[in-house]
Amino acid sequence: NAGVTQTPKFRVLKTGQSMTLLCAQDMNHEYMYWYRQDPGMGLRLIHYSVGEGTTAKGEVPDGYNVSRLKKQNFLLGLESAAPSQTSVYFCASQTGRLEAFFGQGTRLTVV
Amino acid sequence: KNEVEQSPQNLTAQEGEFITINCSYSVGISALHWLQQHPGGGIVSLFMLSSGKKKHGRLIATINIQEKHSSLHITASHPRDSAVYICAVRPNSGGSNYKLTFGKGTLLTVNP
Repeated sequence: NAGVTQTPKFRVLKTGQSMTLLCAQDMNHEYMYWYRQDPGMGLRLIHYSVGEGTTAKGEVPDGYNVSRLKKQNFLLGLESAAPSQTSVYFCASQTGRLEAFFGQGTRLTVV
Repeated sequence: KNEVEQSPQNLTAQEGEFITINCSYSVGISALHWLQQHPGGGIVSLFMLSSGKKKHGRLIATINIQEKHSSLHITASHPRDSAVYICAVRPNSGGSNYKLTFGKGTLLTVNP
């Protein structure tokens, strides 16, 4: 079992470029989440999904889009990257009220 | 005011010491999670609690639902315990019980 796998692990983007972060889980979990982690702040929810084909906005959704076309994959897109999106991004999955499983994180720098 | 407050923010200990990290929250919850994040690393779930106490190796987590408070204890601390410990709660109101609200974390450094 791989658990939750995020790709890529590191990326440097220029302002205005676009990219997609992939989160894949092999535990058949319904719920998936994208968070960002910034110094001095707790993890903040960007978008989440409660099942295949559904997505919803979290606390800080601006500048990001997501898709959940397959149950095991949750994609996070940045259409036009900005320096304010420099952060560490974490994906997580869980089933109902069970414990959450996190990916290893993606360190994104926008210059 | 953050819904989840952790203390202390930073903690330095000597190897072998008993460590306590505290978490207070202001909302009704269905569960509380303790997470561990090593420097530059991913996040690992240590415990999920809804009542009482859980133990795993040298780690013990307790929760008092009435007082809205949880503690994470590390016995016989070791340098490999150096990490950020994050408290997260699952609110039980308004259909948000599948989302987590996170504290800012406690940075623990254990010196040899």
